[in-house]
Amino acid sequence: KAGVTQTPRYLIKTRGQQVTLSCSPISGHRSVSWYQQTPGQGLQFLFEYFSETQRNKGNFPGRFSGRQFSNSRSEMNVSTLELGDSALYLCASSGGPSGANVLTFGAGSRLTVL
Amino acid sequence: GENVEQHPSTLSVQEGDSAVIKCTYSDSASNYFPWYKQELGKRPQLIIDIRSNVGEKKDQRIAVTLNKTAKHFSLHITETQPEDSAVYFCAATQTGNQFYFGTGTSLTVIP
Repeated sequence: KAGVTQTPRYLIKTRGQQVTLSCSPISGHRSVSWYQQTPGQGLQFLFEYFSETQRNKGNFPGRFSGRQFSNSRSEMNVSTLELGDSALYLCASSGGPSGANVLTFGAGSRLTVL
Repeated sequence: GENVEQHPSTLSVQEGDSAVIKCTYSDSASNYFPWYKQELGKRPQLIIDIRSNVGEKKDQRIAVTLNKTAKHFSLHITETQPEDSAVYFCAATQTGNQFYFGTGTSLTVIP
């Protein structure tokens, strides 16, 4: 059974550019959530999607957006990149037999903004 | 919203000793408390979790305790081994999948 797959794994952008990250959840999981991980800050919740609808949103500016497709795959987009957006972006899926709350994380997309 | 505090931020123990990591939460409505282990360069992985209707849960060398009145929960690792060295995160959530994470504890087990 394939795990949570995130692409790309690494990327480098410059300030002002935009970036799109992709996440394919575990088959059968309908919930996908996104977290930003930075040193010292831990994991900060960005948003969560369930059946193509955003159910929850964290305290991030509107430059951060996301969506979910009918096959449960999700994308997040960051526009007008800033240096502070450099981070590991983790996607997690849930909703399998382990329980609705149990998060399974992908390997992450490491974004560097120069 | 919920606020989760985690202590200590770093912890070093001798192999074979016990390690304890503590977290407090602010929202009494939170009802699910997982612990994740993240090895260097790897993804966070669930190691144990506890729900608010349970006071303690054990899985081999790992245990979690929950005190709902005081709003704190702790991770206990006994007989630590070098492979336990990692960053450990606690989290709390009330509903859905909006988790609030602590800032992590870097555990080093010295052989």
